[in-house]
Amino acid sequence: GQQVMQIPQYQHVQEGEDFTTYCNSSTTLSNIQWYKQRPGGHPVFLIQLVKSGEVKKQKRLTFQFGEAKKNSSLHITATQTTDVGTYFCAGHSGAQKLVFGQGTRLTINP
Amino acid sequence: DTAVSQTPKYLVTQMGNDKSIKCEQNLGHDTMYWYKQDSKKFLKIMFSYNNKELIINETVPNRFSPKSPDKAHLNLHINSLELGDSAVYFCASSQDARSEKLFFGSGTQLSVL
Repeated sequence: GQQVMQIPQYQHVQEGEDFTTYCNSSTTLSNIQWYKQRPGGHPVFLIQLVKSGEVKKQKRLTFQFGEAKKNSSLHITATQTTDVGTYFCAGHSGAQKLVFGQGTRLTINP
Repeated sequence: DTAVSQTPKYLVTQMGNDKSIKCEQNLGHDTMYWYKQDSKKFLKIMFSYNNKELIINETVPNRFSPKSPDKAHLNLHINSLELGDSAVYFCASSQDARSEKLFFGSGTQLSVL
C-alpha cells in the first residue's frame, strides 16, 4: 500500500536557525498537504500543493512539491518559538484515503 | 464556535470496559473520520464516513464500531478495551470524500489501565 515517509523524526534548533522537513511517497501523489500540531494540540491544516514543481510561501514557511509528485518539503526560515510542534505531510494518491507521514517534531532553544 | 468537537477530552478506564467517544461537526461537511495517534505521534486512519455511509474501514479490531446517525455526527464505540488501545483519538471532517483539508477535533486521550 501507499507509504509516506518523513525525515527527520526529530529536529532541535536554536531560535533563528532554519528548519527543513522532507516527505517522500512510495507512489505518485495527486496532492500533498501539510499540517502542524502544537504540543498537546490537534493537527491544523497549513497548505495543499497540487501541481508538479509547485512552490508556495506562507510568511517564513516555504512548501515545495517535487517534479515527480512523489516528494515534498517544508522549510522554515529563522525559526521562532511559536514554530514549535510536529509537522506532518499527508499524501493523497487518488484513492479516498489520506496517508500521513510520521511527522517531524521541532523543538527550539530560545 | 467549535467546528469539530469531540467528547470527552480525557477518558481513563479499566481493561475490559466498553466506552464511547462522540464527535460533531458544524461545518456542513459530508465526510467524517476517526484517526488514532499513538505515543510516537503516528496518525493512522481508522474509519471514514461520507454522508452516513462507511467508505474507509482500515484494519481495525472489530471491537471498534463507528456509528454515524447523520452526516454531522460520528461516534466511536470501543468494546472490551485493551491496554494497547491507549492513544489519542482524533475526529476530523472534510468537505467531501476527496479528503481535501481535514479539520480535526481537539482529540480524546484514552488511557486504559
